[in-house]
Amino acid sequence: GAGVSQTPSNKVTEKGKYVELRCDPISGHTALYWYRQSLGQGPEFLIYFQGTGAADDSGLPNDRFFAVRPEGSVSTLKIQRTERGDSAVYLCASSQTGNSNQPQHFGDGTRLSIL
Amino acid sequence: AQSVTQPDIHITVSEGASLELRCNYSYGATPYLFWYVQSPGQGLQLLLKYFSGDTLVQGIKGFEAEFKRSQSSFNLRKPSVHWSDAAEYFCAVNSGSARQLTFGSGTQLTVLP
Repeated sequence: GAGVSQTPSNKVTEKGKYVELRCDPISGHTALYWYRQSLGQGPEFLIYFQGTGAADDSGLPNDRFFAVRPEGSVSTLKIQRTERGDSAVYLCASSQTGNSNQPQHFGDGTRLSIL
Repeated sequence: AQSVTQPDIHITVSEGASLELRCNYSYGATPYLFWYVQSPGQGLQLLLKYFSGDTLVQGIKGFEAEFKRSQSSFNLRKPSVHWSDAAEYFCAVNSGSARQLTFGSGTQLTVLP
């Protein structure tokens, strides 16, 4: 079956621009997560959705970052006024119901480069 | 707060040799523990998970891991490494109250022919 799909796979933009990253989770999964992975590091949590609502956004670094999931399926991570430090791989994951003992299934990520 | 330490940044083994990747976690209660593998340009693939019960868990691709509560460890092992196992390996913990995974910084595995 289809896994987690992320688009685009690569995004290059200039400092100060606005970007949107899309995640299409596994069909039927109610929980969706965004992580950010910097070079040489493990993924770091950004935000968790249960259905349409952001159940935990404690990992968002500042108010330039925002994410939505309006219909409880596809999610978009939005970054305003991008900075060079935002360059990283942004990973999306989904799990069936969001229970902690369920594995999270990851997409291939979007590699974001801010020039 | 939960945390994960992977003390080995890079490990090199010869094909056919055994492998052990170390993982230590910090958390008060019994956590949920995971090992993921990441190939270049790819997302993370789940190798195995521990929730409760038998402390030796089997995963895909011939990997296994052992949960040792007394040592706060969850080390990953494989008896005989294949060249295709070269990748980066991440240990992760979920405390149960928080939904997100906390990852270690990863161990890069190189396999020599």
